[in-house]
Amino acid sequence: NAGVTQTPKFQVLKTGQSMTLQCAQDMNHNSMYWYRQDPGMGLRLIYYSASEGTTDKGEVPNGYNVSRLNKREFSLRLESAAPSQTSVYFCASSIIAGELFFGEGSRLTVL
Amino acid sequence: GQQLNQSPQSMFIQEGEDVSMNCTSSSIFNTWLWYKQDPGEGPVLLIALYKAGELTSNGRLTAQFGITRKDSFLNISASIPSDVGIYFCAAQNYGGSQGNLIFGKGTKLSVKP
Repeated sequence: NAGVTQTPKFQVLKTGQSMTLQCAQDMNHNSMYWYRQDPGMGLRLIYYSASEGTTDKGEVPNGYNVSRLNKREFSLRLESAAPSQTSVYFCASSIIAGELFFGEGSRLTVL
Repeated sequence: GQQLNQSPQSMFIQEGEDVSMNCTSSSIFNTWLWYKQDPGEGPVLLIALYKAGELTSNGRLTAQFGITRKDSFLNISASIPSDVGIYFCAAQNYGGSQGNLIFGKGTKLSVKP
């Protein structure tokens, strides 16, 4: 089982460029999440989708947009990347609140 | 806002030692969880606790949901090299929005040279 798959795994952007991080899960989970992880900051929620067709802001949504394309896929878009968005991004899914399954992460550097 | 305070921030282990870490908050929660993150990987759920006072084991790992509902503890017995990683506590109030799960900043476990 693939679980939660994120692409790309690594990306380097210049300030002002845009990009989309893709996430897909094959566990038929209703809820999906995007987190960012920065040194010493733990995991911070960017956006989440409790079910297909709904999305809500998390703790740090500024500078990001999301799309819940269908039950399997949840994408995160940076419209105009900034150096402060250099981070490791994790997608996760769950069927029981709190019991998250994470992807392997996408490492983004903005120059 | 709500936050979780994990301690220690880092610790070194020697194979065979027992390890203890904890997570505290000024807020009450009705769910506590512990995750482990291996280097270069995403976090993996170790233990979920749903009742105050609950003590749950998963192999050499034992976690407790504090009776005050404001804290949780994780113990690892007879540590082995593959226990190295970052351990995160997380907490939420069950039945609230899916976005109310919060994470501590992690305890980094390393092997003594």
